[in-house]
Amino acid sequence: GAVVSQHPSWVICKSGTSVKIECRSLDFQATTMFWYRQFPKQSLMLMATSNEGSKATYEQGVEKDKFLINHASLTLSTLTVTSAHPEDSSFYICSASDRGGNQPQHFGDGTRLSIL
Amino acid sequence: AQKITQTQPGMFVQEKEAVTLDCTYDTSDPSYGLFWYKQPSSGEMIFLIYQGSYDQQNATEGRYSLNFQKARKSANLVISASQLGDSAMYFCAMRPGSGGYQKVTFGTGTKLQVIP
Repeated sequence: GAVVSQHPSWVICKSGTSVKIECRSLDFQATTMFWYRQFPKQSLMLMATSNEGSKATYEQGVEKDKFLINHASLTLSTLTVTSAHPEDSSFYICSASDRGGNQPQHFGDGTRLSIL
Repeated sequence: AQKITQTQPGMFVQEKEAVTLDCTYDTSDPSYGLFWYKQPSSGEMIFLIYQGSYDQQNATEGRYSLNFQKARKSANLVISASQLGDSAMYFCAMRPGSGGYQKVTFGTGTKLQVIP
Protein backbone atom coordinates (compact mmCIF):
# COMPACT_ATOMS: atom_id res chain seq x y z
CA GLY A 1 0.00 0.00 0.00
CA ALA A 2 0.91 3.66 -0.23
CA VAL A 3 3.54 4.84 2.21
CA VAL A 4 3.23 8.51 1.29
CA SER A 5 -0.16 10.18 1.10
CA GLN A 6 -0.68 13.44 -0.75
CA HIS A 7 -3.84 15.51 -0.60
CA PRO A 8 -5.68 16.88 -2.48
CA SER A 9 -5.20 15.06 -5.75
CA TRP A 10 -6.87 17.74 -7.84
CA VAL A 11 -7.50 21.43 -7.25
CA ILE A 12 -9.21 23.96 -9.46
CA CYS A 13 -9.44 27.49 -8.10
CA LYS A 14 -9.56 31.12 -9.03
CA SER A 15 -6.55 33.32 -9.54
CA GLY A 16 -5.41 34.93 -6.30
CA THR A 17 -6.38 32.00 -4.11
CA SER A 18 -3.86 30.29 -1.84
CA VAL A 19 -3.74 26.52 -2.06
CA LYS A 20 -2.34 24.14 0.54
CA ILE A 21 -1.09 20.67 -0.39
CA GLU A 22 -0.35 18.08 2.30
CA CYS A 23 2.20 15.29 2.19
CA ARG A 24 2.15 12.61 4.87
CA SER A 25 4.46 9.68 5.48
CA LEU A 26 2.29 6.81 6.66
CA ASP A 27 4.65 4.04 7.73
CA PHE A 28 7.73 5.91 8.82
CA GLN A 29 9.02 9.17 10.19
CA ALA A 30 10.50 11.47 7.60
CA THR A 31 12.78 14.23 8.78
CA THR A 32 13.20 15.22 5.17
CA MET A 33 10.62 15.45 2.43
CA PHE A 34 10.94 16.81 -1.06
CA TRP A 35 8.61 18.85 -3.23
CA TYR A 36 8.70 18.61 -7.00
CA ARG A 37 6.94 20.32 -9.84
CA GLN A 38 6.32 18.64 -13.16
CA PHE A 39 5.23 20.30 -16.37
CA PRO A 40 3.51 18.20 -19.06
CA LYS A 41 5.83 15.76 -20.78
CA GLN A 42 8.79 16.89 -18.70
CA SER A 43 10.78 15.48 -15.85
CA LEU A 44 10.39 16.25 -12.16
CA MET A 45 11.94 19.51 -11.07
CA LEU A 46 12.96 19.72 -7.43
CA MET A 47 11.51 22.83 -5.84
CA ALA A 48 12.61 22.49 -2.24
CA THR A 49 13.75 20.20 0.52
CA SER A 50 11.47 20.24 3.53
CA ASN A 51 13.25 19.76 6.85
CA GLU A 52 11.35 18.88 10.01
CA GLY A 53 11.63 21.61 12.59
CA SER A 54 13.64 23.99 10.45
CA LYS A 55 13.38 26.11 7.35
CA ALA A 56 13.03 24.53 3.96
CA THR A 57 15.88 24.64 1.50
CA TYR A 58 14.75 26.05 -1.83
CA GLU A 59 16.30 25.36 -5.21
CA GLN A 60 17.61 28.22 -7.26
CA GLY A 61 14.88 30.14 -9.00
CA VAL A 62 12.07 28.98 -6.71
CA GLU A 63 10.32 31.82 -4.91
CA LYS A 64 10.23 31.19 -1.18
CA ASP A 65 7.37 33.61 -0.61
CA LYS A 66 5.31 32.06 -3.38
CA PHE A 67 5.78 28.47 -2.29
CA LEU A 68 5.61 28.26 1.49
CA ILE A 69 6.73 25.00 3.04
CA ASN A 70 6.03 23.89 6.58
CA HIS A 71 7.29 20.65 8.10
CA ALA A 72 5.96 20.80 11.61
CA SER A 73 6.00 17.10 12.40
CA LEU A 74 7.92 13.99 11.43
CA THR A 75 5.08 12.78 9.24
CA LEU A 76 3.65 15.91 7.64
CA SER A 77 4.92 18.54 5.25
CA THR A 78 2.74 21.14 3.57
CA LEU A 79 3.26 23.23 0.48
CA THR A 80 1.20 26.39 0.17
CA VAL A 81 1.02 28.11 -3.18
CA THR A 82 0.23 31.68 -2.21
CA SER A 83 -1.83 34.00 -4.37
CA ALA A 84 -1.80 31.47 -7.17
CA HIS A 85 -1.90 32.57 -10.78
CA PRO A 86 -2.45 30.59 -14.00
CA GLU A 87 1.30 30.16 -14.48
CA ASP A 88 1.38 28.23 -11.21
CA SER A 89 -0.83 25.56 -12.75
CA SER A 90 1.14 22.35 -12.74
CA PHE A 91 1.51 18.88 -11.24
CA TYR A 92 3.05 19.00 -7.78
CA ILE A 93 4.38 15.86 -6.15
CA CYS A 94 6.08 15.16 -2.86
CA SER A 95 8.40 12.41 -1.75
CA ALA A 96 10.00 11.06 1.38
CA SER A 97 12.14 8.15 2.44
CA ASP A 98 13.43 6.41 5.49
CA ARG A 99 16.99 7.24 6.41
CA GLY A 100 18.29 3.88 5.25
CA GLY A 101 20.82 4.06 2.44
CA ASN A 102 19.04 1.97 -0.14
CA GLN A 103 15.54 3.08 0.62
CA PRO A 104 13.91 4.68 -2.39
CA GLN A 105 12.07 7.92 -2.38
CA HIS A 106 8.41 7.09 -1.99
CA PHE A 107 6.13 9.48 -3.78
CA GLY A 108 2.68 10.75 -3.10
CA ASP A 109 0.19 10.45 -5.92
CA GLY A 110 0.62 14.11 -6.82
CA THR A 111 -1.65 17.13 -6.99
CA ARG A 112 -2.89 18.59 -10.24
CA LEU A 113 -3.33 22.31 -9.69
CA SER A 114 -5.33 24.36 -12.17
CA ILE A 115 -5.64 28.09 -11.64
CA LEU A 116 -8.35 29.79 -13.64
CA ALA B 1 27.03 17.86 -9.21
CA GLN B 2 25.12 14.90 -10.51
CA LYS B 3 23.68 14.39 -13.95
CA ILE B 4 21.40 11.73 -15.39
CA THR B 5 21.02 11.31 -19.15
CA GLN B 6 18.25 9.39 -20.86
CA THR B 7 18.76 9.64 -24.61
CA GLN B 8 15.59 7.85 -25.70
CA PRO B 9 12.58 10.20 -25.55
CA GLY B 10 10.33 7.42 -26.81
CA MET B 11 10.45 3.68 -27.35
CA PHE B 12 8.13 1.09 -28.85
CA VAL B 13 8.16 -2.57 -27.98
CA GLN B 14 6.03 -5.50 -29.03
CA GLU B 15 4.05 -7.17 -26.30
CA LYS B 16 5.93 -10.11 -24.72
CA GLU B 17 9.27 -8.85 -26.03
CA ALA B 18 12.09 -7.49 -23.87
CA VAL B 19 13.12 -3.84 -23.99
CA THR B 20 16.11 -1.91 -22.68
CA LEU B 21 15.82 1.70 -21.54
CA ASP B 22 19.13 3.52 -21.46
CA CYS B 23 20.49 5.62 -18.64
CA THR B 24 23.93 7.12 -18.15
CA TYR B 25 25.04 9.17 -15.21
CA ASP B 26 27.83 11.40 -14.06
CA THR B 27 28.91 12.01 -10.50
CA SER B 28 32.00 12.65 -8.44
CA ASP B 29 30.55 10.93 -5.37
CA PRO B 30 32.19 7.59 -4.57
CA SER B 31 28.95 6.30 -3.10
CA TYR B 32 25.58 6.71 -4.79
CA GLY B 33 22.31 4.98 -5.51
CA LEU B 34 20.55 4.55 -8.80
CA PHE B 35 16.80 4.16 -9.15
CA TRP B 36 14.20 3.58 -11.80
CA TYR B 37 10.66 4.87 -11.51
CA LYS B 38 7.58 4.32 -13.66
CA GLN B 39 5.04 7.08 -14.15
CA PRO B 40 1.77 6.05 -15.79
CA SER B 41 -0.53 8.64 -17.31
CA SER B 42 -2.32 8.95 -13.97
CA GLY B 43 0.79 10.64 -12.61
CA GLU B 44 1.95 8.62 -9.63
CA MET B 45 5.61 7.69 -9.39
CA ILE B 46 6.13 3.97 -8.89
CA PHE B 47 9.47 2.73 -7.61
CA LEU B 48 10.78 -0.18 -9.69
CA ILE B 49 14.35 -1.03 -8.80
CA TYR B 50 17.45 0.15 -6.93
CA GLN B 51 21.19 -0.35 -7.50
CA GLY B 52 23.84 0.75 -5.06
CA SER B 53 27.20 1.86 -6.38
CA TYR B 54 29.01 -0.79 -4.34
CA ASP B 55 26.63 -3.61 -5.16
CA GLN B 56 28.49 -6.40 -6.90
CA GLN B 57 25.49 -7.91 -8.61
CA ASN B 58 22.94 -6.35 -10.89
CA ALA B 59 19.62 -5.70 -9.21
CA THR B 60 16.55 -7.65 -10.26
CA GLU B 61 12.90 -7.28 -9.29
CA GLY B 62 10.56 -9.61 -11.08
CA ARG B 63 10.49 -8.64 -14.76
CA TYR B 64 12.78 -5.69 -14.12
CA SER B 65 16.55 -5.90 -14.07
CA LEU B 66 19.16 -3.20 -13.96
CA ASN B 67 22.21 -3.61 -16.16
CA PHE B 68 24.78 -1.74 -14.08
CA GLN B 69 28.10 -1.02 -15.75
CA LYS B 70 30.01 1.14 -13.32
CA ALA B 71 33.03 1.82 -15.50
CA ARG B 72 30.79 3.03 -18.29
CA LYS B 73 28.54 4.88 -15.83
CA SER B 74 25.43 3.30 -17.19
CA ALA B 75 22.40 1.86 -15.46
CA ASN B 76 20.06 0.54 -18.11
CA LEU B 77 16.66 -0.87 -17.21
CA VAL B 78 15.65 -4.12 -18.86
CA ILE B 79 11.99 -5.08 -18.89
CA SER B 80 11.37 -8.65 -19.91
CA ALA B 81 8.14 -10.00 -21.39
CA SER B 82 6.58 -6.57 -21.89
CA GLN B 83 2.93 -6.14 -21.02
CA LEU B 84 0.44 -3.54 -22.19
CA GLY B 85 0.41 -2.15 -18.66
CA ASP B 86 4.09 -1.31 -18.97
CA SER B 87 3.22 1.62 -21.25
CA ALA B 88 4.32 4.66 -19.25
CA MET B 89 7.09 7.17 -18.70
CA TYR B 90 10.22 5.75 -17.13
CA PHE B 91 12.65 7.88 -15.16
CA CYS B 92 16.18 7.03 -14.16
CA ALA B 93 17.32 8.76 -10.99
CA MET B 94 20.37 9.07 -8.80
CA ARG B 95 21.00 9.94 -5.18
CA PRO B 96 24.40 10.63 -3.66
CA GLY B 97 25.69 8.90 -0.59
CA SER B 98 23.60 6.62 1.52
CA GLY B 99 20.98 8.76 3.13
CA GLY B 100 17.31 9.17 2.44
CA TYR B 101 17.73 12.84 3.15
CA GLN B 102 19.82 13.33 0.04
CA LYS B 103 18.36 14.98 -3.05
CA VAL B 104 17.47 12.83 -6.02
CA THR B 105 18.34 13.88 -9.56
CA PHE B 106 16.05 12.67 -12.34
CA GLY B 107 16.65 12.10 -16.00
CA THR B 108 14.35 13.49 -18.67
CA GLY B 109 12.48 10.23 -19.01
CA THR B 110 11.64 7.71 -21.72
CA LYS B 111 8.10 7.15 -22.89
CA LEU B 112 7.56 3.46 -23.48
CA GLN B 113 4.67 2.23 -25.56
CA VAL B 114 3.88 -1.47 -25.70
CA ILE B 115 2.22 -2.57 -28.91
CA PRO B 116 -0.26 -5.45 -28.86
